[in-house]
Amino acid sequence: DAKTTQPTSMDCAEGRAANLPCNHSTISGNEYVYWYRQIHSQGPQYIIHGLKNNETNEMASLIITEDRKSSTLILPHATLRDTAVYYCIVRPAYSGAGSYQLTFGKGTKLSVIP
Amino acid sequence: SQTIHQWPATLVQPVGSPLSLECTVEGTSNPNLYWYRQAAGRGLQLLFYSVGIGQISSEVPQNLSASRPQDRQFILSSKKLLLSDSGFYLCASGKVRTEAFFGQGTRLTVV
Repeated sequence: DAKTTQPTSMDCAEGRAANLPCNHSTISGNEYVYWYRQIHSQGPQYIIHGLKNNETNEMASLIITEDRKSSTLILPHATLRDTAVYYCIVRPAYSGAGSYQLTFGKGTKLSVIP
Repeated sequence: SQTIHQWPATLVQPVGSPLSLECTVEGTSNPNLYWYRQAAGRGLQLLFYSVGIGQISSEVPQNLSASRPQDRQFILSSKKLLLSDSGFYLCASGKVRTEAFFGQGTRLTVV
């Protein structure tokens, strides 16, 4: 079962910032927050991940609350090509036995509107 | 970065026919490899993972099997397809403490 809760869908105007929330209230101390997105009929694409500090890369920023029970993915200037399903996932830094338990929920369907 | 090659992109197969989907990885060595399935409108379900050549772990009982004959090759197979095997199949590669890289997927329709 997914350990995260995300809104089913969101709309964002083109050029505006898209803020996608995620609740992970049962996150444990050694679990990272990962974000992936899946454009229709393609494989998921890694976006960003973090443990407790805020992170930024060329694609997005990740804001994690101090208690780590929730986070927000920020796409600073959304474009039409950012329309996709965005998945928030928690996973331990080391899963043991090499397993990569990426448990995907249903994610948030972001629609960027012209 | 890694590149995951999957083929074919789409496949239509009759019920009862065999299946073989291949995945190869470039840009890394000794990766963990994974097969996921995504049914229409649903999330990704982990089917198999492998930590090395010949080592396969199954997450769910099913009509499918997996094999890893080479370090960067992962194969998903079935002897006799069922209608319920239809879906979007994704191969992924990753290592501990790193992000996973996904292929572009194979959309399988069993008719």
